[in-house]
Amino acid sequence: LAKTTQPISMDSYEGQEVNITCSHNNIATNDYITWYQQFPSQGPRFIIQGYKTKVTNEVASLFIPADRKSSTLSLPRVSLSDTAVYYCLVGDGNTDKLIFGTGTRLQVFP
Amino acid sequence: DAGVTQSPTHLIKTRGQQVTLRCSPKSGHDTVSWYQQALGQGPQFIFQYYEEEERQRGNFPDRFSGHQFPNYSSELNVNALLLGDSALYLCASSLEGRLLEQFFGPGTRLTVL
Repeated sequence: LAKTTQPISMDSYEGQEVNITCSHNNIATNDYITWYQQFPSQGPRFIIQGYKTKVTNEVASLFIPADRKSSTLSLPRVSLSDTAVYYCLVGDGNTDKLIFGTGTRLQVFP
Repeated sequence: DAGVTQSPTHLIKTRGQQVTLRCSPKSGHDTVSWYQQALGQGPQFIFQYYEEEERQRGNFPDRFSGHQFPNYSSELNVNALLLGDSALYLCASSLEGRLLEQFFGPGTRLTVL
């Protein structure tokens, strides 16, 4: 399982775009990149998953460069309710368990 | 669809006791994973069940055991509780082949005194 590195914390203001970058230098060919969001005292929630280039859904966008050694989660126009911990995970969807790091604690201010 | 449900929501035990936590997966999901989350840390993988068998296991002692039933629901048992077992225990369900997209329950908060 590839190890991931992401910033411990980030601050933003309402209405701004937030980009959280994750590095995964040892990503394997079969690995996908997955992001989860977790609010206090709740279980993590799946946000987005991708393999290469760009993936977008109603919540976020995920940008993956050609070498796949990093990825960027983009949250457009954040609100106070986006204050949470965001986890980047890398693994093979057929065989792997989820290995969580300490995540990035995003604080959104009014 | 009720999603993943867990019971109880909170539990207080004393050292040396045993505890059983329960999980019902999201409808249609066949794989259940258990995680332990200490305060301020990311969830740590305990084990995963598929077809009533433990398929993968994290770095947890044998005091942690589990079971999956034919209806895919699952139990986590912890024997000889230690103070360090105090944590939020999360259950997650998923579909075989889509193990990276897991649906988590609200967790059981276990306090060991």
